[in-house]
Amino acid sequence: EVQLVESGGGLVQPGGSLRLSCAASGFTFRNYEMNWVRQAPGKGLEWVSYISSSGSTIYYADSVKGRFFIFRDNRKNSLYLQMNSLRAEDTAVYYCATDFDWGQGTLVTVSS
Amino acid sequence: IALTQSPATLSLSPGERATLSCRASQSVSSYLAWYQQKPGQAPRLLIYDASKRATDIPARFSGSGSGTDFSLTISSLEPEDFAVYYCQQRSNFWTFGQGTKVEIK
Repeated sequence: EVQLVESGGGLVQPGGSLRLSCAASGFTFRNYEMNWVRQAPGKGLEWVSYISSSGSTIYYADSVKGRFFIFRDNRKNSLYLQMNSLRAEDTAVYYCATDFDWGQGTLVTVSS
Repeated sequence: IALTQSPATLSLSPGERATLSCRASQSVSSYLAWYQQKPGQAPRLLIYDASKRATDIPARFSGSGSGTDFSLTISSLEPEDFAVYYCQQRSNFWTFGQGTKVEIK
């Protein structure tokens, strides 16, 4: 069974940093492209970032470019999102996802 | 690539047919997916490549279209189908439509 489990969310002050993790199991993680998607409270879905299976190709949404960094460790079957210079508008549930499966998400709240 | 879903809300009764639309600002070929999301849950993939049902998705869900115009049809609404539905393009990164809420009339 495919499982994607996000962790690392929480309350952080504006300007702060947070690192999200996504633990993958039930499939050959190193063969899969991965994405982060977020959903602000009561709002729709917003794609955040993409990383290729090897980690050599990376893309970001304009809203997070230069502040967020995606990376992966295929030995640990894990995906990460380093979030810096956080803003109130980054408050959302963050999901890791493949083309077919999503985790349950982790809530990030940016507030003073 | 922007995706526009219509209508924003669809009010129907169980057993009725639901047709949801998604229009892309430029061609996405067949790289279009549909998701269902219920409150407090992650989105669930229903349809990918415009018309292929994902694993364990009931046959009452079907997708069609190519290029810029797509639709999701639920042939006969079950009580568990009342939810928000999003389309997603995978042609150039990912983007999502704003969602269509299917509510009980």
